[in-house]
Amino acid sequence: AQSVTQLDSQVPVFEEAPVELRCNYSSSVSVYLFWYVQYPNQGLQLLLKYLSGSTLVKGINGFEAEFNKSQTSFHLRKPSVHISDTAEYFCAVTPSDAGNMLTFGGGTRLMVKP
Amino acid sequence: GAGVSQSPSNKVTEKGKDVELRCDPISGHTALYWYRQSLGQGLEFLIYFQGNSAPDKSGLPSDRFSAERTGGSVSTLTIQRTQQEDSAVYLCASSWRGNTQYFGPGTRLTVL
Repeated sequence: AQSVTQLDSQVPVFEEAPVELRCNYSSSVSVYLFWYVQYPNQGLQLLLKYLSGSTLVKGINGFEAEFNKSQTSFHLRKPSVHISDTAEYFCAVTPSDAGNMLTFGGGTRLMVKP
Repeated sequence: GAGVSQSPSNKVTEKGKDVELRCDPISGHTALYWYRQSLGQGLEFLIYFQGNSAPDKSGLPSDRFSAERTGGSVSTLTIQRTQQEDSAVYLCASSWRGNTQYFGPGTRLTVL
């Protein structure tokens, strides 16, 4: 079984400041890792994913994340946030033998202030 | 191309009634998943279909919940004798061979 912990339920930050949203996971097997974003009253939109290869992955809207196997982490970063980045962010994992369900973290609400 | 679509977008029902929620996956995607998002429980897996294989029902919370997938495409999630604790957003996702999942906009279910 897998589990995902998002260490911060809320992250307030000023516009144009950098941000890091933390995600740690636990799994006895190899996993794929994902970050999704959810804007109010909408579904989940894929931000980025790590399947294999380079541990630094770049996604949409200027976000990037780094897979650290030894620390079992997959933290999400953006060097300069915008008001429009205000949303809920979910980290998720699935075993890398394809076809399994996603296990989600509890989510982090990013609140960008002017 | 078209993404995952779900209908209705909102459903209000009375306790004890049955409801059906529909999901149209991305064309060509072989796998389809249902999740539930509620305030108390976060995002929970419900059921998973892959091609013609038997579905993985391990996440269904009770026997009041069932789902089917017709013709390897459209799926319907049915909740019988709805209870107030069934109120949640029901999300559908699809993927090609179980890799990256793409989500629909969800159906918000309110049980009065």
